[in-house]
Amino acid sequence: KAGVTQTPRYLIKTRGQQVTLSCSPISGHRSVSWYQQTPGQGLQFLFEYFSETQRNKGNFPGRFSGRQFSNSRSEMNVSTLELGDSALYLCASSPRGTGSLYEQYFGPGTRLTVT
Amino acid sequence: GQQLNQSPQSMFIQEGEDVSMNCTSSSIFNTWLWYKQEPGEGPVLLIALYKAGELTSNGRLTAQFGITRKDSFLNISASIPSDVGIYFCAGRNYGGSQGNLIFGKGTKLSVKP
Repeated sequence: KAGVTQTPRYLIKTRGQQVTLSCSPISGHRSVSWYQQTPGQGLQFLFEYFSETQRNKGNFPGRFSGRQFSNSRSEMNVSTLELGDSALYLCASSPRGTGSLYEQYFGPGTRLTVT
Repeated sequence: GQQLNQSPQSMFIQEGEDVSMNCTSSSIFNTWLWYKQEPGEGPVLLIALYKAGELTSNGRLTAQFGITRKDSFLNISASIPSDVGIYFCAGRNYGGSQGNLIFGKGTKLSVKP
């Protein structure tokens, strides 16, 4: 079974630009969560999508948004990029449900550098 | 955002030694997860715990869900060089939604052959 895939793996953008990252979950998984990882703050939850609906949102500004498609693939968008947005953005998928169905499996991440 | 207290921050050990790391929280969790992350990769799930007091093993790894629901530990026995990486604990708040995993800041493990 293929794992979680994220594209692109690396990205360099300039301040003020916007960026879109993509995540394809494991086949059969309907929940996709996004996390930001930085050396200073560690892993921070951004949002979760299930059945094309945002189910939960972390404490990030409105510049961070996402969506999920009917095939469970998800995208996240960051508008008006700031230097502090430089991070590894991780996507995690799970079937969603009780017990082990809550286990989240991560993709390799997209390394975003803002200059 | 809220984070778990994970310790130690880093460990330098000799191959063959046992390793122990732990996480504590001021909040109750109903799930504890332990992940390992290697450079350039996303975290890989090692062990999942669902009940207070639960002790679960995965090869040389053993993890326990604290009886108070506010802590968990991970032990690695007879370490080998490929154990090198950053180990993260993660908890889900009691009653919280699936997506709301809270992560520790990680324990960086270095193993000398």
